[in-house]
Amino acid sequence: GEDVEQSLFLSVREGDSSVINCTYTDSSSTYLYWYKQEPGAGLQLLTYIFSNMDMKQDQRLTVLLNKKDKHLSLRIADTQTGDSAIYFCAVLYNFNKFYFGSGTKLNVKP
Amino acid sequence: DTAVSQTPKYLVTQMGNDKSIKCEQNLGHDTMYWYKQDSKKFLKIMFSYNNKELIINETVPNRFSPKSPDKAHLNLHINSLELGDSAVYFCASSQEFEERGAINEQFFGPGTRLTVL
Repeated sequence: GEDVEQSLFLSVREGDSSVINCTYTDSSSTYLYWYKQEPGAGLQLLTYIFSNMDMKQDQRLTVLLNKKDKHLSLRIADTQTGDSAIYFCAVLYNFNKFYFGSGTKLNVKP
Repeated sequence: DTAVSQTPKYLVTQMGNDKSIKCEQNLGHDTMYWYKQDSKKFLKIMFSYNNKELIINETVPNRFSPKSPDKAHLNLHINSLELGDSAVYFCASSQEFEERGAINEQFFGPGTRLTVL
């Protein structure tokens, strides 16, 4: 099966940029997603990118996709304490098979 | 209006018991899922149902059985509960679009925290 990997922890200071990385093994993905999970809550879609795109920007969020290296990243500019959460990358195949990474816990220090 | 709801929110039970977790979505989606999130926050897919057919089963023990009475519901039944079943279980749903440009976003429920004593 597909393997989606993320680093487990990231700690940054408020106002800095955060970069969360994700690697996957199967190159036949259709869509790739970033989900955010706040404490005690379910996952919510943060942003997504189609597999034929290299970059997508959405306000403070920038998603970069390197299909050759099978690498996805999420950059959060001007990170705020409210951005502290667990971030999951997810890869979609064949429109109905989702594979999630293990999640990266982002800690933002004031 | 709640899009994906789960009951109960918390479930504490003894080893060996049988329990069910209910999930309902009011989004009209075709596909529903169950995920298990362990104490280290790792998220693993357990099942997905599309039009009442099981389409994914990721090596889950057969003590776990999904039951879908209709398109809007996917309940999770667990027999002979074990300590290792303690986790947060998330239900999710999505609409399966095959045309270009569709996001196929998954909508998650709030989770059910299961504690097996």
